[in-house]
Amino acid sequence: EDQVTQSPEALRLQEGESSSLNCSYTVSGLRGLFWYRQDPGKGPEFLFTLYSAGEEKEKERLKATLTKKESFLHITAPKPEDSATYLCAVQAVDSGTYKYIFGTGTRLKVLA
Amino acid sequence: SAVISQKPSRDICQRGTSLTIQCQVDSQVTMMFWYRQQPGQSLTLIATANQGSEATYESGFVIDKFPISRPNLTFSTLTVSNMSPEDSSIYLCSVGRALQETQYFGPGTRLLVL
Repeated sequence: EDQVTQSPEALRLQEGESSSLNCSYTVSGLRGLFWYRQDPGKGPEFLFTLYSAGEEKEKERLKATLTKKESFLHITAPKPEDSATYLCAVQAVDSGTYKYIFGTGTRLKVLA
Repeated sequence: SAVISQKPSRDICQRGTSLTIQCQVDSQVTMMFWYRQQPGQSLTLIATANQGSEATYESGFVIDKFPISRPNLTFSTLTVSNMSPEDSSIYLCSVGRALQETQYFGPGTRLLVL
């Protein structure tokens, strides 16, 4: 069964304390992996798309990497405004049908 | 990326009633989707809104409960029919230029059914 698992479920960091969020997946026919940021009461905001193992993308304090089984979202020297839920989604194709599968997210809290 | 708006942003409804949620995009898009996000849960795809034809529903979702319209390439509606407290959720529309490309999300509609 296709599955996306994110860990940890919740993470508390001190400002400046770097860490990584994990997204592991078991899908057939992976077409892409997506990271989103979601603030309370708002829709997910797109961050990155990764298509192949070894690919890396960066944006400010965030860096996303992809292997054949998982993706990491590295947060370097986080600030309180980085506090949010980070969602991972994979896009797969099965018998010509595309589907998006979302993880349940990691709730990040950065303390000043 | 496209600018996406949803109306209403939130609502409180009585059980047995229906609510129609609107999704408006500032540019023409090929793909429009409707998702549900229940408290503490992941996003679940309800259906793909097809322009000029019936929506494509995911397993567990039916047209009688969630009728969808998409009259053109910039607008879609989702109706939540005969609501029960279990329908309390955030409903999100998303858009994409093509099925295999990145989806961008609207701000969501927060629904509480009493």
